[in-house]
Amino acid sequence: AQSVTQPDIHITVSEGASLELRCNYSYGATPYLFWYVQSPGQGLQLLLKYFSGDTLVQGIKGFEAEFKRSQSSFNLRKPSVHWSDAAEYFCAVGRRSGGGADGLTFGKGTHLIIQP
Amino acid sequence: DADVTQTPRNRITKTGKRIMLECSQTKGHDRMYWYRQDPGLGLRLIYYSFDVKDINKGEISDGYSVSRQAQAKFSLSLESAIPNQTALYFCATSDLGTGIGGTQYFGPGTRLTVL
Repeated sequence: AQSVTQPDIHITVSEGASLELRCNYSYGATPYLFWYVQSPGQGLQLLLKYFSGDTLVQGIKGFEAEFKRSQSSFNLRKPSVHWSDAAEYFCAVGRRSGGGADGLTFGKGTHLIIQP
Repeated sequence: DADVTQTPRNRITKTGKRIMLECSQTKGHDRMYWYRQDPGLGLRLIYYSFDVKDINKGEISDGYSVSRQAQAKFSLSLESAIPNQTALYFCATSDLGTGIGGTQYFGPGTRLTVL
């Protein structure tokens, strides 16, 4: 069975500083990988996804993530955070099923706090 | 995403009551999912459906049932609610089958409290 680990429950970053959120996965084959963001009281919004090809994936809001098979990681990065980036971030892995991802397995989330 | 709607948005009920949460989508997707979110646990898959005739259990299906009334509608039922089913419930749809690659789109969530 697949699993996802987000080692950091909380991260505090100063506005304008760079950000890296860690994600490690366990899956027996090449996974489908996702990062979602959840703002307070909101649903989940897809930031980016990796299915195949270039291991550096660009997403919305200036985020990017890099798939590293050797490290079973899919870390999320942003060069300069804004106060509006404060939210809960979830990494997820999907089983390959019929050409796409099956039901997702989520990490427990990382809560991002932005200091002024 | 307004294309996936959930009703009700908030519900408070008592132990032992039957509750139905509804999800509708206008995306035309075949696959639909129900997740629950608990603080510190992330989201966990309850049930998923590949089409009207295909229902599958997720990792935490005990105590829940689902009904796929049409391509656009997927309901989650708690036959006899218990307090540890208090959670935020999300419905999602997937564009698998359109060649885009399986991105899931989430509804706004239903906050359920079981007293």
